[in-house]
Amino acid sequence: EIVLTQSPATLSLSPGERATLSCRASQSVSSYLAWYQQKPGQAPRLLIYDASNRATGIPARFSGSGSGTDFTLTISSLEPEDFAVFYCQQRSNWPYTFGQGTKLEIK
Amino acid sequence: QVQLVESGGGVVQPGGSLRLSCAASGLTFSRYGMHWVRQAPGKGLEWVTFIRYDGSNKDYADSVKGRFTISRDNSKNTLYLQMNSLRAEDTAVYYCAKDLRDSGRYPDAFDIWGQGTMVTVSS
Repeated sequence: EIVLTQSPATLSLSPGERATLSCRASQSVSSYLAWYQQKPGQAPRLLIYDASNRATGIPARFSGSGSGTDFTLTISSLEPEDFAVFYCQQRSNWPYTFGQGTKLEIK
Repeated sequence: QVQLVESGGGVVQPGGSLRLSCAASGLTFSRYGMHWVRQAPGKGLEWVTFIRYDGSNKDYADSVKGRFTISRDNSKNTLYLQMNSLRAEDTAVYYCAKDLRDSGRYPDAFDIWGQGTMVTVSS
């Protein structure tokens, strides 16, 4: 099973700041990595697929990069509505695992 | 507008069974692979199972293999999850989610999710 390790567990930032979230895979997942955002009481929302492609309707301040085992989600300038929990997920190998999540909180 | 609506959750005793449904609208359901993903209270996301768009291939997480069965009725635009031999650790919100791209041979990213249905396994 591919283990995805996200860091940091919690990130405290202010609106307007830049956020950098990391996801590391225990073995290569090529570019088959997605990022999701989940707010309390809501279903997850797809942000990025195949490591660097923004999903439909996702603002340009969200970007993804990386391949192989190391991936990054960057939010260039935080808006108040961006604070949430973020998960990475791989679809390279069964089972299609998620990371444990990074909570992005307002400082 | 693409929409997925889950139903069938509830409280069940350990060892019991439950069947979840996911009704799809606003899309050509028969062209998309579908998944069930669950989230235990206060925990992260866990992928549970996948079914290919035509039903020809199914994958399961080890934690549910042999107990859960995914199926679909493309004529009714509905996805199902039959859950048997339920355990306390199956307690979670269950989401259905669709593949991003159609007619895929393998699972894709999950671009549309339902609102979730709560399953509680308790005596």
